[in-house]
Amino acid sequence: EAAVTQSPRNKVTVTGGNVTLSCRQTNSHNYMYWYRQDTGHGLRLIHYSYGAGNLQIGDVPDGYKATRTTQEDFFLLLELASPSQTSLYFCASSGGLSNERLFFGHGTKLSVL
Amino acid sequence: GDSVTQTEGLVTLTEGLPVMLNCTYQSTYSPFLFWYVQHLNEAPKLLLKSFTDNKRPEHQGFHATLHKSSSSFHLQKSSAQLSDSALYYCAWKDTGNTGKLIFGLGTTLQVQP
Repeated sequence: EAAVTQSPRNKVTVTGGNVTLSCRQTNSHNYMYWYRQDTGHGLRLIHYSYGAGNLQIGDVPDGYKATRTTQEDFFLLLELASPSQTSLYFCASSGGLSNERLFFGHGTKLSVL
Repeated sequence: GDSVTQTEGLVTLTEGLPVMLNCTYQSTYSPFLFWYVQHLNEAPKLLLKSFTDNKRPEHQGFHATLHKSSSSFHLQKSSAQLSDSALYYCAWKDTGNTGKLIFGLGTTLQVQP
């Protein structure tokens, strides 16, 4: 089974704080994704990438930056966190072919006070 | 724009009754459609995906048929089990190989004894 590891599992910060969420996959996958999950909104795509150094904008990118440093590592950055960014964040990876499945990490629960 | 729609937020039914969760899509191209399932406190995982050759995918008693004429990919099961209680997402991925995967809002299925 493909492996996607997120850290931390839980994070609490204050408004205006600086937060970095980490994701590592050992699947040799090209594509990596960051989603946020909120009740009533489902899973919404923030950013994604198809390789080291590449970044694609998703559907809800405002307030977020992302960086893909290697094929394995994809980071989500919140430089001025706001309470509206309190959410459950999922990272996922896939091989990139159109019908390939996504493998999800276990999620990071972020609370911005 | 391209999108996927799940009309029911919550479906409640009694064990043993048939299940049908609705999914329709709007797409410029012929997309790939997926169903993901998320049990409580777990990450989403793939349940089914559409095929290009009109085969009907099946898994764990669930099946779905891609109907291009009605732009639908409804999830069905003949007899619900208590363990089917979960959040179900329909998802869309374009065939243009951008790698972008879009999820619907999700449908919570509650199966009661």
